[in-house]
Amino acid sequence: DIVMTQSPLSLPVTHGEPASISCRSSQSLLYNNGHNYLDWYLQKPGQSPQLLIYLGSIRASGVPDRFSGSGSGTDFTLKISRVEAEDVGIYYCMQALEIPRTFGQGTKVEI
Amino acid sequence: QVHLQESGPGLVKPSETVSLTCAVSGGSVSDDDYYWSWIRQRPGKGLEWIGYIYHRGHTHYEASLQSRVTMLMDTSKNQFSLKLSSVTAADTAVYYCARDPLSGLLPGMDVWGQGTTVTVSS
Repeated sequence: DIVMTQSPLSLPVTHGEPASISCRSSQSLLYNNGHNYLDWYLQKPGQSPQLLIYLGSIRASGVPDRFSGSGSGTDFTLKISRVEAEDVGIYYCMQALEIPRTFGQGTKVEI
Repeated sequence: QVHLQESGPGLVKPSETVSLTCAVSGGSVSDDDYYWSWIRQRPGKGLEWIGYIYHRGHTHYEASLQSRVTMLMDTSKNQFSLKLSSVTAADTAVYYCARDPLSGLLPGMDVWGQGTTVTVSS
């Protein structure tokens, strides 16, 4: 199985300031079509996870443009350009290349 | 807009089998573009993929749960289900259903249910 490792696991942030989360996979998520099969999800307190980013860098429908995903192969980053109060929660990366799907441990973002 | 709604018994005794259902509205479980997945979250822990079912009868389960998991689909009711046998306290979790694209070029798990809590206790 592909192991996903996130850092940090806890991220205190300041409103209006940028934030960044790292995700590494135990094997490359770059498929031969040129796409990286890496998703980012946000689980707000008391809610179900919601898709933020897929294919490493494509924002899901309705996701604010302050969220961006980058990286390739085994190293990926989720960036929030200016943190808003509504961005608090736990962020998970997930590899979508293989079955079984595997998630990172989660990064708790708090203001 | 596709909507998923989980349902289940809430409380289950150890060694019993828990059955959960995910009702799909605004879309079809027979959609060729999607697997239908179950994910769980134990208290205070992260997300754990359990498995998926596809309408053509194909299933795939997480290896550690494979001997205890069965997923079924009822296309007439537009729903799918998860059965987990021989439950223990370690199976206490919130169980989510979600749709997962078959094609790697569609958005990821973009629709999730609200989750149903399963507590295993005597």
